[in-house]
Amino acid sequence: GQQLNQSPQSMFIQEGEDVSMNCTSSSIFNTWLWYKQDPGEGPVLLIALYKAGELTSNGRLTAQFGITRKDSFLNISASIPSDVGIYFCAGQGYGGSQGNLIFGKGTKLSVKP
Amino acid sequence: GAVVSQHPSRVICKSGTSVKIECRSLDFQATTMFWYRQFPKQSLMLMATSNEGSKATYEQGVEKDKFLINHASLTLSTLTVTSAHPEDSSFYICSARDRQRTGGYTFGSGTRLTVV
Repeated sequence: GQQLNQSPQSMFIQEGEDVSMNCTSSSIFNTWLWYKQDPGEGPVLLIALYKAGELTSNGRLTAQFGITRKDSFLNISASIPSDVGIYFCAGQGYGGSQGNLIFGKGTKLSVKP
Repeated sequence: GAVVSQHPSRVICKSGTSVKIECRSLDFQATTMFWYRQFPKQSLMLMATSNEGSKATYEQGVEKDKFLINHASLTLSTLTVTSAHPEDSSFYICSARDRQRTGGYTFGSGTRLTVV
C-alpha cells in the first residue's frame, strides 16, 4: 500500500531558527496536506497543496508540492515557542479508497526559548 | 471555516462496557466522515470511513463488530466501542471534509478513551 516517509522524526531547535521537514511517498498523490497536532488535540490544518510545483505560504510557514508528486516539504521560519508540537504530512491519492488520507509518522518539534 | 465537534473529549469506562463517541460537522454537511485511532507518540491510523446512509468501510484488521459506526445524518457520525478492553484504550479522532470549500479535512478534537 501507499506509504509516507516523514523526516526528521524530531527536532530540537533554538527560538528564532528556521525549521525544515519533508515527506516522500512511494507513489503519486494529488493532494498534500500539512497538519499540526498539540497534545490531547486533533490535528489542525496548516497548509493544503493541490498542484505539482505549488508553493504556498501561511504566515511563517511555507510548503511545496514536489514536481514528481511524490514529495512535499514544510518550512517554518523564525521559530517561536508556540511552534512546539507534532507536525504531520498527509497525502491523498486518486479516488476510491485511494482518496483517503495517508499520514506520515510525524515530526516532533521542540523549541528552546 | 469548517468546524467538526467531537464528544466526549475524555471517557473512562469499565472493561466489558460500551462507549459511544460522537462526531458532528457544525457548519457543513458531510456525506463522508473518517475515524482514526492514534496510539501515544504515533501517527493517525485510519480505522474506517463512515458513509451517510450506508455501511461503513473498515480498514484491514479493524473489527467491524467491535467498532460500530453509524452515520445517520449528514452532520453526525458515531463510533461505538463495544465490550471495551484495556487494549482499546487510545485516542480516537474523527474528521470530515466540506466539499463546498477548498482546503483539507477538518478534524475533531479527539476522544481519549481509557478502559480500566
